[in-house]
Amino acid sequence: KQEVTQIPAALSVPEGENLVLNCSFTDSAIYNLQWFRQDPGKGLTSLLLIQSSQREQTSGRLNASLDKSSGRSTLYIAASQPGDSATYLCAVDNYGQNFVFGPGTRLSVLP
Amino acid sequence: GAVVSQHPSRVICKSGTSVKIECRSLDFQATTMFWYRQFPKKSLMLMATSNEGSKATYEQGVEKDKFLINHASLTLSTLTVTSAHPEDSSFYICSAIPIMDRSGNTIYFGEGSWLTVV
Repeated sequence: KQEVTQIPAALSVPEGENLVLNCSFTDSAIYNLQWFRQDPGKGLTSLLLIQSSQREQTSGRLNASLDKSSGRSTLYIAASQPGDSATYLCAVDNYGQNFVFGPGTRLSVLP
Repeated sequence: GAVVSQHPSRVICKSGTSVKIECRSLDFQATTMFWYRQFPKKSLMLMATSNEGSKATYEQGVEKDKFLINHASLTLSTLTVTSAHPEDSSFYICSAIPIMDRSGNTIYFGEGSWLTVV
């Protein structure tokens, strides 16, 4: 059974710092991995989708990497801003076309 | 890009009443949609797989009589929480797979619906 963990559970950084969020999964036979952002009281926003054949995806200040063999993905946020404060979720698709979500990392970027 | 819309985004209902949440694919058709629920301080968990024209497939531990799922058309799936209780208060989100996506590479998520039962 696929299990997804995220470290750290919470993170507080000053504005401008570069930071890395970690995601680990137990079954490397994934179809793809996706990173989401969830704002308090609001819905999910898809950030980046990495196919199993890819190693990374970039969008603006965000870069996500994928190492299937080790069961790891990282989300790199450059030059963090207070507006980046949110919960970040990673989710893996196990070929069932539904996703297994991690518990999330709560990020606070302090001005 | 493809859009999945959920309605309502927020709803408050009284204990014992039923509430319906809609999940619509606005610019594509989807034979399969998924419903997730987020428990407090935990991540999203798959509740059921909704297939157009057939009964939904529920995950273990999910009460099918309490969480009624109807996938009446290729663009609409509904989740009805029946006889709601405060412990049903949660964040519910759906996702959909476009029919035309033969590779299965893409799946789109709605923005979610916050349910509060008082």
